[in-house]
Amino acid sequence: GENVEQHPSTLSVQEGDSAVIKCTYSDSASNYFPWYKQELGKRPQLIIDIRSNVGEKKDQRIAVTLNKTAKHFSLHITETQPEDSAVYFCAAQKGSNYQLIWGAGTKLIIKP
Amino acid sequence: DAGITQSPRHKVTETGTPVTLRCHQTENHRYMYWYRQDPGHGLRLIHYSYGVKDTDKGEVSDGYSVSRSKTEDFLLTLESATSSQTSVYFCATKGLADNNEQFFGPGTRLTVL
Repeated sequence: GENVEQHPSTLSVQEGDSAVIKCTYSDSASNYFPWYKQELGKRPQLIIDIRSNVGEKKDQRIAVTLNKTAKHFSLHITETQPEDSAVYFCAAQKGSNYQLIWGAGTKLIIKP
Repeated sequence: DAGITQSPRHKVTETGTPVTLRCHQTENHRYMYWYRQDPGHGLRLIHYSYGVKDTDKGEVSDGYSVSRSKTEDFLLTLESATSSQTSVYFCATKGLADNNEQFFGPGTRLTVL
């Protein structure tokens, strides 16, 4: 079945620098790849997503890139700010009922 | 927050007791999902529903059952709770429109002693 691997598990960056989180998936039939942000004690919330017919998508300081051939996708956050500190999850969609298979998460720490 | 609530928000129970968690949504979303979240594992799908009385298993369904008798409610039951089921449980919904986003409830923290 589908498997999603996410790296790194923890990422510490200086405020103002960029952060990159990477995910790989195994099922070439996956066609939708969201990224969720979860702050401590809160629910996960979608921050950006990409479909398999698109190579890159950007929304202000965040962007996602997808390489279908290599079966990997990445989250890029530029000009990081303290409020970017959170756990970020990638996922890949499988099946006809929109099931998501999730990566294990990346804890992003923004150092002042 | 897409009008999704979960109850209870916290529960402590003993091994062997039955437990039912409730997810309630006011968005008339067709699809509903139950996940568990554990450190180092991200979110793992337990069961999901694609309509009233239509449910199917996810990747970690053993020891869990679900029911959906009306659109707005999706119940998760642990027939006989075990310590390995100590976790945070999230419910999520997805609407029918061409929008794949899943909206999450606030979560239920369950401790099985």
